[in-house]
Amino acid sequence: QSVLTQPPSVSGAPGQRVTISCTGSSSNIGAGYDVHWYQQLPGTAPKLLIYGNSNRPSGVPDRFSGSKSGTSASLAITGLQAEDEADYYCQSYDSSLSYVFGTGTKVTVL
Amino acid sequence: EVQLVESGGGLVKPGGSLRLSCAASGFTFSSYSMNWVRQAPGKGLEWVSSISSSSSYIYYADSVKGRFTISRDNAKNSLYLQMNSLRAEDTAVYYCARDLDPGAELDYWGQGTLVTVSS
Repeated sequence: QSVLTQPPSVSGAPGQRVTISCTGSSSNIGAGYDVHWYQQLPGTAPKLLIYGNSNRPSGVPDRFSGSKSGTSASLAITGLQAEDEADYYCQSYDSSLSYVFGTGTKVTVL
Repeated sequence: EVQLVESGGGLVKPGGSLRLSCAASGFTFSSYSMNWVRQAPGKGLEWVSSISSSSSYIYYADSVKGRFTISRDNAKNSLYLQMNSLRAEDTAVYYCARDLDPGAELDYWGQGTLVTVSS
């Protein structure tokens, strides 16, 4: 089954902007399925961060934003804060009737 | 408050079986699809299985097809995962998570239960 590709790591200084890419294929993101993003703090369960490509659940700061184009999506974090240090995963659906997750990206705040 | 609480994890020998449970509360369980997602130690997330609200539609990842069985009891607000013929590569934290429709976001997750397959 398919996997979405993310960079293993990104880093930035406090206050900076970082972006995480999520690359899929014509059977998942490119087929029109939505992309969702999750934040996983160390030792905890994943938490929904962005749904439906660009929507934030209640309580998620507007520093987090998502977008989708073609077979890819991206997550942007502006005004990076120490508490944003975590693993981030994208997720979509595939024409094979399976959920697909990204490979995960570790965000480090310098 | 939505709560999902997994249980049933533990140490099992290769070839053995284990049954995981997920107790749901704080929402109308019978209205949601449910999923199992796992995470091997130090690795990323892997979707395992999904079951629709009325159990009409069930899907599995290729890696567990034929070995794992997902089920639910809407009267008991509970989700289950029967795992047979366990392998070392099934070692992971198993999370249950809900969504409204196939392909929708997994908006609430449990805290996870650790399954270790080792001799």
